[in-house]
Amino acid sequence: EIVMTQSPATLSVSPGERATLSCRASQSVSSNLAWYQQKPGQAPRLLIYGASTRATGIPARFSGSGSGTEFTLTISSLQSEDFAVYYCQQYNNWPRITFGPGTKVDIK
Amino acid sequence: EVQLVESGGGLVKPGGSLRLSCAASGFTFSSYSMNWVRQAPGKGLEWVSSISSSSSYIYYADSVKGRFTISRDNAKNSLYLQMNSLRAEDTAVYYCARKYCSGGSCYFFFDYWGQGTLVTVSS
Repeated sequence: EIVMTQSPATLSVSPGERATLSCRASQSVSSNLAWYQQKPGQAPRLLIYGASTRATGIPARFSGSGSGTEFTLTISSLQSEDFAVYYCQQYNNWPRITFGPGTKVDIK
Repeated sequence: EVQLVESGGGLVKPGGSLRLSCAASGFTFSSYSMNWVRQAPGKGLEWVSSISSSSSYIYYADSVKGRFTISRDNAKNSLYLQMNSLRAEDTAVYYCARKYCSGGSCYFFFDYWGQGTLVTVSS
């Protein structure tokens, strides 16, 4: 099983600031990595796939980068609606897909 | 508009059974692989099971293999999860999720999710 780790567990950011979230895989997943956003009481929403491709309707302030084992999700200027938990997911080793434990982005 | 609506959750005793349903609309259900993903209270996401568009390929997480059965009815645009021998650790919100496909290629991540149905296993 490919183990996904995310850091930090919690990121405190002021509105308008940049947020950088990290995701690491225990072995290479190539670019087969997705990012999701989840707000309390809601289902996850797909943000990024292929490590760097924004999903339909996702604002340009969200960007993804990386390949292999190291990945980054960047939110260039945090808006109030961006405070949420963010999960990464590898799909290189399907069907044994795995998610990271999440990074909570909260208001500083 | 794509919609996935889960139902069937509730409180069940350890060792009991429950059947979850997911009603799909707004897309050609019979063309997509479908999945169940769960989330224990306050915890992260865990993939549970997947079924291909024609039910030819079915996969389960090790944690539920032999106890859960995924199925679908394309005529009814519905996905199901039969859960038997339930344990306390199966307590979670269960999401129905559509596997992403574009331009004839499909990848094992999820572009649409339902709102989830809560399963609580407790005596």
